[in-house]
Amino acid sequence: SQTIHQWPATLVQPVGSPLSLECTVEGTSNPNLYWYRQAAGRGLQLLFYSVGIGQISSEVPQNLSASRPQDRQFILSSKKLLLSDSGFYLCAWGQGDPNEQFFGPGTRLTVL
Amino acid sequence: GENVEQHPSTLSVQEGDSAVIKCTYSDSASNYFPWYKQELGKRPQLIIDIRSNVGEKKDQRIAVTLNKTAKHFSLHITETQPEDSAVYFCAASPRGGGSTLGRLYFGRGTQLTVWP
Repeated sequence: SQTIHQWPATLVQPVGSPLSLECTVEGTSNPNLYWYRQAAGRGLQLLFYSVGIGQISSEVPQNLSASRPQDRQFILSSKKLLLSDSGFYLCAWGQGDPNEQFFGPGTRLTVL
Repeated sequence: GENVEQHPSTLSVQEGDSAVIKCTYSDSASNYFPWYKQELGKRPQLIIDIRSNVGEKKDQRIAVTLNKTAKHFSLHITETQPEDSAVYFCAASPRGGGSTLGRLYFGRGTQLTVWP
């Protein structure tokens, strides 16, 4: 069966520091991968999605970037965090059309 | 692109009553409509979905209906229980190829509270 992992689970970072969040999927190949952000009490904002290695689509301009160095690995990065980057970051995977998406456990990021 | 509207934003019901959450979508090419439940501090979990060739689908106390002509779909929860309390998200997925394949467009969520 498929499993999706995210780490770290929680993170507290100062403004201006770099960020690296990792997501990996097991039990499937060539998945579509997604990064979402959820601010406190708000909806799901799609940040990036990828349909293959090295293929990244960005949904909103911001100081975040994403990379997919391996088939089942998706990384979210920032060179300098802003206060507004705080939130719950969710990675999701899906495969095929129609697309069921399954979410990872999430990373709760607090920028101070 | 696709635009999904979800109503109401909050819903309070008494235990045992029914709850209905409604969503509309704009892209007639959308062909897949999942619903997610997110408990406080947890990840969203897929609870039921429906495809465009089906009008209704049921799974125990939950059901989803789809009206493609009107471009709306609804989640129905019967005999609600306190553990149904959560945020519910609807989504729509347009049929398409290339880099947009498989993307979900989410509604803004409904906070359901079931009072014992």
